[in-house]
Amino acid sequence: EPEVTQTPSHQVTQMGQEVILRCVPISNHLYFYWYRQILGQKVEFLVSFYNNEISEKSEIFDDQFSVERPDGSNFTLKIRSTKLEDSAMYFCASSALNSYEQYFGPGTRLTVT
Amino acid sequence: GQNIDQPTEMTATEGAIVQINCTYQTSGFNGLFWYQQHAGEAPTFLSYNVLDGLEEKGRFSSFLSRSKGYSYLLLKELQMKDSASYLCASDSGNTPLVFGKGTRLSVIA
Repeated sequence: EPEVTQTPSHQVTQMGQEVILRCVPISNHLYFYWYRQILGQKVEFLVSFYNNEISEKSEIFDDQFSVERPDGSNFTLKIRSTKLEDSAMYFCASSALNSYEQYFGPGTRLTVT
Repeated sequence: GQNIDQPTEMTATEGAIVQINCTYQTSGFNGLFWYQQHAGEAPTFLSYNVLDGLEEKGRFSSFLSRSKGYSYLLLKELQMKDSASYLCASDSGNTPLVFGKGTRLSVIA
């Protein structure tokens, strides 16, 4: 069964450093999403991406964040200058055209020290 | 604004039935999702309700009342592996998914 994959599974970085989280959505999906979940808290929407551009973003997704689809398979989330409060599990999700079901990847646990 | 409420924790016995409630107040509403999330894992899709009423899918059923801003997830014949968090999420159009804090269900023998 096709699945969303994410790398790395765990990333440790120092405050102020840039990180890039990588996702490979399901191959025939057209909508891509990033969510985050701070430990013990709810899942929060960050951004959605369709047709090579951001379609929606939340207040969390400020100028420090960016997304990119550098090729036909990868979807990346970049945090330019990480802060301690960016420590969280980051989930990538994808969905097909005309489908409401979003498939989540296993997540990347980001730890900022 | 967006507000989704669900109980923080529930405990139920193996083989029993449990109902997890969710109420929502959103500025726009397309439908209501339920996801299951085991500790340290990604959410997995359980159901999506757009119309009022009950939708059954095996041991899991989900109900929606749009006029009351209310949904529930019904789990029958509980198994130990059903111990997980159950996330209610609204699809409001402006933001793809707005999640509640989740209900942590513990199934005991």
